[in-house]
Amino acid sequence: ETTLTQSPAFMSATPGDKVNISCKASQDIDDDMNWYRQKPGKAAIFIIQDATTLVPGIPPRFSGSGYGTDFTLTINNIESEDAAYYFCLQHDNFPITFGQGTRLEIK
Amino acid sequence: EVQLLESGGGLVQPGGSLRLSCAASGFTFAHYAMSWVRQAPGKGLEWVSAISGGASRTFYADSVKGRFTISRDDSMNTLYLQINSLRAEDTAVYFCARDVAYYHDSSPGVDYWGQGTLVTVSS
Repeated sequence: ETTLTQSPAFMSATPGDKVNISCKASQDIDDDMNWYRQKPGKAAIFIIQDATTLVPGIPPRFSGSGYGTDFTLTINNIESEDAAYYFCLQHDNFPITFGQGTRLEIK
Repeated sequence: EVQLLESGGGLVQPGGSLRLSCAASGFTFAHYAMSWVRQAPGKGLEWVSAISGGASRTFYADSVKGRFTISRDDSMNTLYLQINSLRAEDTAVYFCARDVAYYHDSSPGVDYWGQGTLVTVSS
């Protein structure tokens, strides 16, 4: 089973900032990494597929990078609506596993 | 618009049972594998179970194997999770999610999620 170590667990940003969220896999998972955003009481939203592919309808302020074991979700020009819980998912091997999540606060 | 709506959660005593449902709409339900994922209070997400299209295969996390049973009714566009012999550590919000593909074991993850239903196991 692949363990995903996501960091930071919490971060605070100001509108207009650029933020990076990291997800490190315990073994090589190629580019089999997805990213999601979830707001309290709402369904999670799929934002990045296969490490770098922006899901249709997601603003280009969001981007993903990485391969193998190290992955990053980047949000440019942060907006207040980006306040949410972000998490990664690996689908390289069974079972799918998740990072512990990052809570992003917008000041 | 894809929608997944979970129901069936509640307070149950240790050793009890519940049946969770996930009503799907906005897509051809039979064409996709489906998964259940849970999140215990203050913890990260944990994949629980999945079922491929056509109910051809089912999959379970070791932590629930033998106690949970996943099923689907494609005529009703509904996914189920029968949870038995509940333990305190099963307390969590349970989410259903649509796999990207028909077969869970070759699916590149999940793409749509429900809002979840809370299961609380306590005496």
